[in-house]
Amino acid sequence: DVKVTQSSRYLVKRTGEKVFLECVQDMDHENMFWYRQDPGLGLRLIYFSYDVKMKEKGDIPEGYSVSREKKERFSLILESASTNQTSMYLCASSFISQGVMNTEAFFGQGTRLTVV
Amino acid sequence: GNSVTQMEGPVTLSEEAFLTINCTYTATGYPSLFWYVQYPGEGLQLLLKATKADDKGSNKGFEATYRKETTSFHLEKGSVQVSDSAVYFCALTDHTGGFKTIFGAGTRLFVKA
Repeated sequence: DVKVTQSSRYLVKRTGEKVFLECVQDMDHENMFWYRQDPGLGLRLIYFSYDVKMKEKGDIPEGYSVSREKKERFSLILESASTNQTSMYLCASSFISQGVMNTEAFFGQGTRLTVV
Repeated sequence: GNSVTQMEGPVTLSEEAFLTINCTYTATGYPSLFWYVQYPGEGLQLLLKATKADDKGSNKGFEATYRKETTSFHLEKGSVQVSDSAVYFCALTDHTGGFKTIFGAGTRLFVKA
């Protein structure tokens, strides 16, 4: 089974802290994604990466950065946490099938981050 | 830009009732369409998918047909169970839009015994 593992299920951080959320996948997928999930807003894409050391901004990148030094690991960084970043964060990965992006995304369990 | 619109919830049904969750999309290219399900306390998992017009995706009694003429991908199940209670997300991946998957807002389903 494909496994996407997020390092923490629950995190509580203080305003202004630098926060690292880690995600590891074990299926050699090229693509990795970070979403945040908020009630009534669904999933919104923060950043994604289609290769090592490559990154692309999603729809809501402000206040976040990412790192992909190895193919299996994609880290989300909150440079200076704020209360409006309290949310559920979901990591996902996918692969390219025959050059097109028609395959499913595999998700981790999510990290519920609370910034106080 | 690409977008997905799905019916607002929550949807509350009795066991064995018929389920429809509407989903429409806007895309510049020829998207692949997906339904994902999120059970309480878990991440999302793929329920079914369709990659071209008129394809029907099906799984666990759920099905959805890719309708290009109406830009829709409605989810249906003939007889729901209590265990189907979850949040359902419609999503698309547009081959001309990079590798991003765009999600709808999600529809919460409650099934009563």
